[in-house]
Amino acid sequence: KAGVTQTPRYLIKTRGQQVTLSCSPISGHRSVSWYQQTPGQGLQFLFEYFSETQRNKGNFPGRFSGRQFSNSRSEMNVSTLELGDSALYLCASSLTELSNYGYTFGSGTRLTVV
Amino acid sequence: AQRVTQPEKLLSVFKGAPVELKCNYSYSGSPELFWYVQYSRQRLQLLLRHISRESIKGFTADLNKGETSFHLKKPFAQEEDSAMYYCALSRSLTGGGNKLTFGTGTQLKVEL
Repeated sequence: KAGVTQTPRYLIKTRGQQVTLSCSPISGHRSVSWYQQTPGQGLQFLFEYFSETQRNKGNFPGRFSGRQFSNSRSEMNVSTLELGDSALYLCASSLTELSNYGYTFGSGTRLTVV
Repeated sequence: AQRVTQPEKLLSVFKGAPVELKCNYSYSGSPELFWYVQYSRQRLQLLLRHISRESIKGFTADLNKGETSFHLKKPFAQEEDSAMYYCALSRSLTGGGNKLTFGTGTQLKVEL
């Protein structure tokens, strides 16, 4: 079966612009999480969605937002981009909302802000 | 607050030697612990869940609540084990939902 699909794979944006990233989870998975990966900070939790509801948000400014659709696909939006937003953004999906199940990750979207 | 510590950024071993990647955590509740692996140019993938008590690709990890550790071990390293390994802790949050907290990762390099 298809894995977690993230689009686009690469993005280059200018400071001040906004960007939307997309994630299609594994079919049947209802939990979707987003993570930011940078060399300096490592992997940091952004937010988690389950059945179209954002259940948790990490310690990121309000410029970072997201949503989940009825088909479990999720989008993440970053407004007023800053240079420090340059990172690999990873989406992960899980079959259940149980914390012990584990997540399947996508390949990520590499965002570069210039 | 929960925290995951991987003290080694880089671990270099010879092929056939034992491997131990260290992971310590701090969490007041009952932790759910995982090891994820990222091979070169591949996506992050789940290697082990502590609840499964399984051996994957020869790797095992035992949760030691007394020492708050979840070290990853393999008796004989193979060249294909070279990768970045992340220890992660998951917890259920008030109001529902989960959150994975990752360690900073350990790059394992297996030399011939």
